[in-house]
Amino acid sequence: DAGITQSPRHKVTETGTPVTLRCHQTENHRYMYWYRQDPGHGLRLIHYSYGVKDTDKGEVSDGYSVSRSKTEDFLLTLESATSSQTSVYFCAISGQGVDTEAFFGQGTRLTVV
Amino acid sequence: GESVGLHLPTLSVQEGDNSIINCAYSNSASDYFIWYKQESGKGPQFIIDIRSNMDKRQGQRVTVLLNKTVKHLSLQIAATQPGDSAVYFCAEYIQGAQKLVFGQGTRLTINP
Repeated sequence: DAGITQSPRHKVTETGTPVTLRCHQTENHRYMYWYRQDPGHGLRLIHYSYGVKDTDKGEVSDGYSVSRSKTEDFLLTLESATSSQTSVYFCAISGQGVDTEAFFGQGTRLTVV
Repeated sequence: GESVGLHLPTLSVQEGDNSIINCAYSNSASDYFIWYKQESGKGPQFIIDIRSNMDKRQGQRVTVLLNKTVKHLSLQIAATQPGDSAVYFCAEYIQGAQKLVFGQGTRLTINP
């Protein structure tokens, strides 16, 4: 999977608790992305990063924050998880930008109860 | 508005036949399109891409066709194999918005 590792792979958490998902890459790619995948919505971009400490919002960024302190790590944080954030989260990386081939991780299934 | 959709949510084909998966897009300014394959329990996997200055692009057993006049994209898979069973997504890059918009996917099932 192009050297992308997501952790954890599965998580169940309670409403109102903070949650952090980690994406780690070994490809030294500049761009990293967080998507969520829900039935009926396909994949939707949450946040992305175009370099260390350089991040921007995607189309569904409310309730999420990200950080990238190193090239290889991109963290997604739900400050106070809600049931609407139950989803499968995918990290992706690309070398050139949004309009180029991206490689996806295996996904993290998050359930907020 | 922005939308990337698929004509059929499911497609069943016989092993060995050719498969055609269709996708419609609405943003005429989009200039880059990608097809991804997603197997159960896995992340999407890049199959093939095409830029708007092309009408056709071929890969190994796959061909993508782009018709800008009617804003239609298709993925053709030749000699479909059991391993082709998956959900296929088209995605459209919206210039200026700096984002990739994914369709909802078509599930391809291969019958023996």
